[in-house]
Amino acid sequence: NAGVTQTPKFRILKIGQSMTLQCTQDMNHNYMYWYRQDPGMGLKLIYYSVGAGITDKGEVPNGYNVSRSTTEDFPLRLELAAPSQTSVYFCATVGGHSYEQYFGPGTRLTVT
Amino acid sequence: DQQVKQNSPSLSVQEGRISILNCDYTNSMFDYFLWYKKYPAEGPTFLISISSIKDKNEDGRFTVFLNKSAKHLSLHIVPSQPGDSAVYFCAAPRPGGSNYKLTFGKGTLLTVNP
Repeated sequence: NAGVTQTPKFRILKIGQSMTLQCTQDMNHNYMYWYRQDPGMGLKLIYYSVGAGITDKGEVPNGYNVSRSTTEDFPLRLELAAPSQTSVYFCATVGGHSYEQYFGPGTRLTVT
Repeated sequence: DQQVKQNSPSLSVQEGRISILNCDYTNSMFDYFLWYKKYPAEGPTFLISISSIKDKNEDGRFTVFLNKSAKHLSLHIVPSQPGDSAVYFCAAPRPGGSNYKLTFGKGTLLTVNP
């Protein structure tokens, strides 16, 4: 039981490149979230999903897209990377019976 | 609009002493609070929570106190250990929805010195 896994752990992108951050959970949870954490800041919600086929914007969705074709996977897509997207990205999930979210280990992204 | 505030970016304490981490909130509709702990290069992990119907919740060395009238909660760690050195986030579920979204504070870096 791996919980929440994220790949890659690290990535350096050039401005304008695109990439997909992968998130997979084996907890059979309906709710999944993508956050970014900038230095000295809390976690900001980018997108979330309440189940397969359903996604919605969080606080800071600009420059990102998501999809949720299965319960397990919730990839985050950056289409045109910008330096402002340099951050650490966390995926999380919750089962719906409590507010306790389970987080993946994060992806550290640098855009130069 | 930061509805959950952790005004101390960092805290340093000696091993064996008490660590007190503070959190203030502005939204009186918040009725549940969580504390998360985060080590470098890892994701946050849930530590302890409290419902607004309580004013205290204890789990081993960790106790959270809630003062609703002051819109303030605190996390006490007694005794503090070097392994407690981490960033601690206070969080609250956003009221009015069933999607379990959380609002996080900016975090407090706790350093426990041996």
